[in-house]
Amino acid sequence: ILNVEQSPQSLHVQEGDSTNFTCSFPSSNFYALHWYRWETAKSPEALFVMTLNGDEKKKGRISATLNTKEGYSYLYIKGSQPEDSATYLCAFPETGANNLFFGTGTRLTVIP
Amino acid sequence: NAGVTQTPKFQVLKTGQSMTLQCAQDMNHEYMSWYRQDPGMGLRLIHYSVGAGITDQGEVPNGYNVSRSTTEDFPLRLLSAAPSQTSVYFCASSPGTGVKKLFFGSGTQLSVL
Repeated sequence: ILNVEQSPQSLHVQEGDSTNFTCSFPSSNFYALHWYRWETAKSPEALFVMTLNGDEKKKGRISATLNTKEGYSYLYIKGSQPEDSATYLCAFPETGANNLFFGTGTRLTVIP
Repeated sequence: NAGVTQTPKFQVLKTGQSMTLQCAQDMNHEYMSWYRQDPGMGLRLIHYSVGAGITDQGEVPNGYNVSRSTTEDFPLRLLSAAPSQTSVYFCASSPGTGVKKLFFGSGTQLSVL
């Protein structure tokens, strides 16, 4: 079992604000780091899979960075919109396997 | 594209009953898995399979059984339901290896009374 921690647990922001949250993972034997977006009453959908130290991924207003040496990743949302309201999960795979260990997520609420 | 199809969406069982949650994918993915989601906890892996005929236990396998007779299907069986198995269950598949993203089914909300 791999320990994946996310903070904060929940976040409320005003529409238009930019925000970010953190995923911490074991820095030894790094393999990959996944981010998923999970809207209420739907299933999780992949945002990014990151594999290289210093990697930065972007999808629209959402971006993520990765620091494998210190074991953290940041997810940024620029100019939050109500449709960004969701739980954002990060996950860390067993080395060489596809079994993902998930954090408990950051629940984002964007207030119009 | 159907993707990962999971049935049923909702189920209520009595303690001691058995049932099977169905999962099928049409993407020819080798890897399939079952997770459960409980309040305050992350998704936890129940069982997984890396190909037809191959299954293995995840983090929380007790009380569940799986089989993988075809690449497409990966059913999860509750042998004798207990209230502790009340949860939301997700099936997920992937082309394989930890650098490939998971594709999730729509989930099954199970209540055991």
